[in-house]
Parts: sequence; C-alpha cells; structure tokens
Amino acid sequence: ETGVTQSPTHLIKTRGQQVTLRCSSQSGHNTVSWYQQALGQGPQFIFQYYREEENGRGNFPPRFSGLQFPNYSSELNVNALELDDSALYLCASSLGRGSDTQYFGPGTRLTVL
Amino acid sequence: AQSVTQLGSHVSVSEGALVLLRCNYSSSVPPYLFWYVQYPNQGLQLLLKYTSAATLVKGINGFEAEFKKSETSFHLTKPSAHMSDAAEYFCAYSGGGADGLTFGKGTHLIIQP
Repeated sequence: ETGVTQSPTHLIKTRGQQVTLRCSSQSGHNTVSWYQQALGQGPQFIFQYYREEENGRGNFPPRFSGLQFPNYSSELNVNALELDDSALYLCASSLGRGSDTQYFGPGTRLTVL
Repeated sequence: AQSVTQLGSHVSVSEGALVLLRCNYSSSVPPYLFWYVQYPNQGLQLLLKYTSAATLVKGINGFEAEFKKSETSFHLTKPSAHMSDAAEYFCAYSGGGADGLTFGKGTHLIIQP
C-alpha cells in the first residue's frame, strides 16, 4: 500500500510569484486536506477536497486555491506569494470526510524570498 | 470555535521515566481527538485516535491517552521514555465536520540520557 506522497520536497520562490504543490493520496482514499505549518507552530487547515469538490475551507485568502483530480490526487496553488507564505505545506488523505483519520505526507518546504 | 491547548511547549524527561504530554480542548460538540508525532523535517505520523468507543486509547510505540470529558482533556502518556521518542507531538481535534483538524501548538519532547 502506497502512502501519501508530495512533490516537490523543497521550493524557493520570490514574492509575487505563483506556486503549485502536488499530492498523491493513499490508495483507496477519496479525500485530501491541505495544511500550512509555519516554523514552530502547529499545522493550520487550508481546505479539504472530497470527490473533486472543495468540501471545507479554513481562514485562508482566495489566492490559496486547489484542485482534486479523478484519481483523487490534488494540487495546491498559491498566487501572489508573500513572505509569510514561507512554511511547510502538508497534504493528508483520508477514506472520507469529517472524523476519518487523516494520513499525512512528508510535506513541501516553501521558502519565499 | 473549537481550540486545542497543549500545556508546555517543551517537556524534558530522563530515559526510562514516565512521559506525560498534556492536551485540553474546547468545543461544544463531541470531539474526535488525535495525537500525532513529527520527527525533524518529516510529516505527521498518527499515534492514536479517540472516537468515543473507549476512554483509554492505546497507540503505537507504547503510547496511550485517556479521554476525560469532565476535564476536557486528552493527555498522552508512556510509562518508560526511550531516546527515539524525542520529537514534536501534536494534539488535534475534529468535530466530525468539514473544518479539518484543529491542532495545538505542539510539545517538543526532549529525552535526557
């Protein structure tokens, strides 16, 4: 059974640029959630996708957007990057919505200069 | 809105000593509660999950946690610390909806030889 994978591992961008992060969910999982983890903080919920539709969203601006594909993989897009967007971005997959256990990938470390 | 409080950003114990990491939650709905562990430069690994089936939950690596509704607590314990337990530990809450997981700020566990 393949776990959650994310790409790239590390990324460096400059302020104002756009970035796309990718996530492959665990086999059999149809729900993907994205989190932002700033240095020294706990992860913060960005949004969740269930069967290709956004199912819930945290307190993040619209320049954070996403997609989920028919194979349940997902993308996180961030436009107009700001210095505060520098963080570890974590993807988690689960069998369903709500209380189902979320299994996390290794994350993508984004640095905005 | 729900919140999770982890008391103590750093906890230091001797190898072989009891580990106690504290977590309190604030919510108006019955919770689903989780403990995750994060090793440096890695994603989150699930230790255990509370889903109301039993108040004492056993997890991996000898960890367990007890749900106490009257105290709104879900503290994590391990009878005997091992050097490999040194890591960051996060308590997380879910209300069962589409709001994702709400995480505490984390507790850094240090194991003294």
